Amino acid sequence: QSALTQPPSVSGSPGQSVTISCTGTSSDVGTYNRVSWYQQPPGTAPKLMIYEVSNRPSGVPDRFSGSKSGNTASLTISGLQAEDEADYYCSSFTSSSTLVFGGGTKLTVL
Amino acid sequence: EVQLVESGGGLVQPGGSLRLSCAASGFTFSNYWMHWVRQAPGKGLLWVSRVNSDGSTTTYADSVKGRFTISRDNAKNTLYLQMNSLRAEDTAVYYCARGAKHYFDSWGQGSLVTVSS
Repeated sequence: QSALTQPPSVSGSPGQSVTISCTGTSSDVGTYNRVSWYQQPPGTAPKLMIYEVSNRPSGVPDRFSGSKSGNTASLTISGLQAEDEADYYCSSFTSSSTLVFGGGTKLTVL
Repeated sequence: EVQLVESGGGLVQPGGSLRLSCAASGFTFSNYWMHWVRQAPGKGLLWVSRVNSDGSTTTYADSVKGRFTISRDNAKNTLYLQMNSLRAEDTAVYYCARGAKHYFDSWGQGSLVTVSS
């Protein structure tokens, strides 16, 4: 199972919006609404930000939103804040009943 | 408060074995799927394995299938990962994670496994 494709890095200024893409195939992202997103600041464990494409766990700010179109899922962070600087990973359920992650995207807040 | 505490990591020679444990507290352990996810130094996340709430169903990534075994003891609120025939490429921080079948809603702090001679 190949990793999902994410851009290595994105950046934005405070207050702006950024979108991170996550491209898979018809064997994962394209078929299943089981895409999740994780935030990992340096030296810490990942944290769930979005599950099942667009659902936010309690405690996650509504500045974070998720969507999907075809084989590509997206995480949008609006009203960017310095504390949002971290690595972000997408994950999807697959037709093999396994899970696959994206390669990760480093978000820099300028 | 949900707590997941991994233990059992360390230095092991190639071909050796190691068993990781994950002690869970703050929630009803027997109600949740549990997973192991690893992260090689400076690299991204890689899903390793999962087990359903009663331990009857397990799934593995191709890279560890036949070498790693996931299990759980609901009476002890503990998740395990038995790792055999370890290779240098298994070197990573191993995270225990609670969740559903297809996502992880709480993570431990991780346990470092180093495979080297």
